[in-house]
Amino acid sequence: ETGVTQSPTHLIKTRGQQVTLRCSSQSGHNTVSWYQQALGQGPQFIFQYYREEENGRGNFPPRFSGLQFPNYSSELNVNALELDDSALYLCASTSSTDTQYFGPGTRLTVL
Amino acid sequence: AQTVTQSQPEMSVQEAETVTLSCTYDTSESDYYLFWYKQPPSRQMILVIRQEAYKQQNATENRFSVNFQKAAKSFSLKISDSQLGDAAMYFCAYRRRNNDMRFGAGTRLTVKP
Repeated sequence: ETGVTQSPTHLIKTRGQQVTLRCSSQSGHNTVSWYQQALGQGPQFIFQYYREEENGRGNFPPRFSGLQFPNYSSELNVNALELDDSALYLCASTSSTDTQYFGPGTRLTVL
Repeated sequence: AQTVTQSQPEMSVQEAETVTLSCTYDTSESDYYLFWYKQPPSRQMILVIRQEAYKQQNATENRFSVNFQKAAKSFSLKISDSQLGDAAMYFCAYRRRNNDMRFGAGTRLTVKP
């Protein structure tokens, strides 16, 4: 069974640019959630997708958007990047026991 | 709003000894889950243990066990026979069914040889 994977591992962008992060959920998991983890803090919930529709959102502005595809993989898009967007972005897929399993994360640096 | 509090930013334990990490949470719900996740320097968030709120029995996974006190809204993690590989950030998390996860600020555990 393949776990949750994320790409890329690292990337560096400049303020004002746009970025797309990708996540492949664990086999059989149809719900994907995205979290932002700033340095030294716990993860903060961005949004969740279930069967290609957003069904929950945290306190993040609209420039954070996402997609889920028929194979349950997902993208996180961030427009108009700001310095404070620098963080580790974690993707998690949810099992049938309502437990979230996380990918290795994407480290985003905004200069 | 549900909040999760980890009052110990850092903890230290001698190899082979036992350590307990504290966590309290605030909720008005009765049906929810509690989790402990481990995050080593590799950054991958790894599930350590899971507790369903309606189950009175404390969860156990090998050397890891919890003390779940629902009325007190307390959920501590006990690590027995600590190993060097247990060194990591530990996050306590709360989740209502089919909802987002709320994390504490984390406890950094150091294991001394």
